[in-house]
Amino acid sequence: KAGVTQTPRYLIKTRGQQVTLSCSPISGHRSVSWYQQTPGQGLQFLFEYFSETQRNKGNFPGRFSGRQFSNSRSEMNVSTLELGDSALYLCASSLEGGLGSPLHFGNGTRLTVT
Amino acid sequence: QKEVEQDPGPLSVPEGAIVSLNCTYSNSAFQYFMWYRQYSRKGPELLMYTYSSGNKEDGRFTAQVDKSSKYISLFIRDSQPSDSATYLCAMSAGGYQKVTFGTGTKLQVIP
Repeated sequence: KAGVTQTPRYLIKTRGQQVTLSCSPISGHRSVSWYQQTPGQGLQFLFEYFSETQRNKGNFPGRFSGRQFSNSRSEMNVSTLELGDSALYLCASSLEGGLGSPLHFGNGTRLTVT
Repeated sequence: QKEVEQDPGPLSVPEGAIVSLNCTYSNSAFQYFMWYRQYSRKGPELLMYTYSSGNKEDGRFTAQVDKSSKYISLFIRDSQPSDSATYLCAMSAGGYQKVTFGTGTKLQVIP
């Protein structure tokens, strides 16, 4: 069974630009979560989608948004990029997203903002 | 204060040693506890998954949860150089609550 696929693997953007990251979950998984990983803060929860609806949201500004499609694939968008947005963005899928069902991560998209 | 505290290390041990990795937490609602391993330039992969207090063993890995002390541990027996990675503890209150991660402990096993 194929794992979680994230594209692109690397991105370099300039301050003020916007970026869209893509995530394809494991087949059959209906929940997709997004995390930001930085050396100082570790993994910070961005949001979780289930059946095309945002079910949970972390403490990030509105510049960070996402969506999920009917095939469970998900995209994350960051507008008006800031230098502090440079991080590894990880997508994780799980069967239902509830009752503590384990997360399965992709290898991430490394975003660098210059 | 963070909900989950984890010593960042690095922790350096000789091959064959027993490794002990630990996390403490403050949210008494947490009841699902996980350990993830993350190699460089890779996403985290699930190692162990436990519910509530107690021990769980899987090969060379043992996870312990002490909810009364809000303390969880991962033990690695007969450590190998291939175990060199960052280990992340994670926990959730269940339901549809988010999973909260520790910042990770970097482990190096020296041949």
